[in-house]
Amino acid sequence: DAGVTQSPTHLIKTRGQQVTLRCSPKSGHDTVSWYQQALGQGPQFIFQYYEEEERQRGNFPDRFSGHQFPNYSSELNVNALLLGDSALYLCASRGFSYNSPLHFGNGTRLTVT
Amino acid sequence: RKEVEQDPGPFNVPEGATVAFNCTYSNSASQSFFWYRQDCRKEPKLLMSVYSSGNEDGRFTAQLNRASQYISLLIRDSKLSDSATYLCVVKGALNGQNFVFGPGTRLSVLP
Repeated sequence: DAGVTQSPTHLIKTRGQQVTLRCSPKSGHDTVSWYQQALGQGPQFIFQYYEEEERQRGNFPDRFSGHQFPNYSSELNVNALLLGDSALYLCASRGFSYNSPLHFGNGTRLTVT
Repeated sequence: RKEVEQDPGPFNVPEGATVAFNCTYSNSASQSFFWYRQDCRKEPKLLMSVYSSGNEDGRFTAQLNRASQYISLLIRDSKLSDSATYLCVVKGALNGQNFVFGPGTRLSVLP
């Protein structure tokens, strides 16, 4: 039973560039959320996708966008990268029950130079 | 005020010690509660869900006080392998609501 998988594991980009991160949810999960975690802080919610639609969004600018595909996999896109976007980006999936916990992938460590 | 607050830490304790972490949340409508542990530069992993009546899983005990909007995690007989950051997480009742993470409390268990 495959867990949540993310790619790539590490990425180095330059300011102003664009990046796409990918995520495949755990088998049987249909809801995908993305989180940004800066060093020494807890994960911050970016947005959540369910049935290919963005259902909820955290306090992130429009430079952050996403997509969910019919197979429930998801992408996170960040445009016009800033130095402050350097962080660990975590994808998490969960089942439909309201109290189902989040299951995280290994994350993508993005460094913007 | 942040939605979820935790003891700032770090906690440095000897092997075998008992350690308690505290967490408070501001949204009284929160309905689901969890503790996650996160090892350095790794993803958070579910440690345990927290139920209204309190629950125990081996050396770990979680308590919830809805009136005070307070969650706790007790670790007994600490092991070196318990060294990690412990994240308190709360969620509202509706399916679309997101999980809100606290900043985490770092624990170092010393030999």
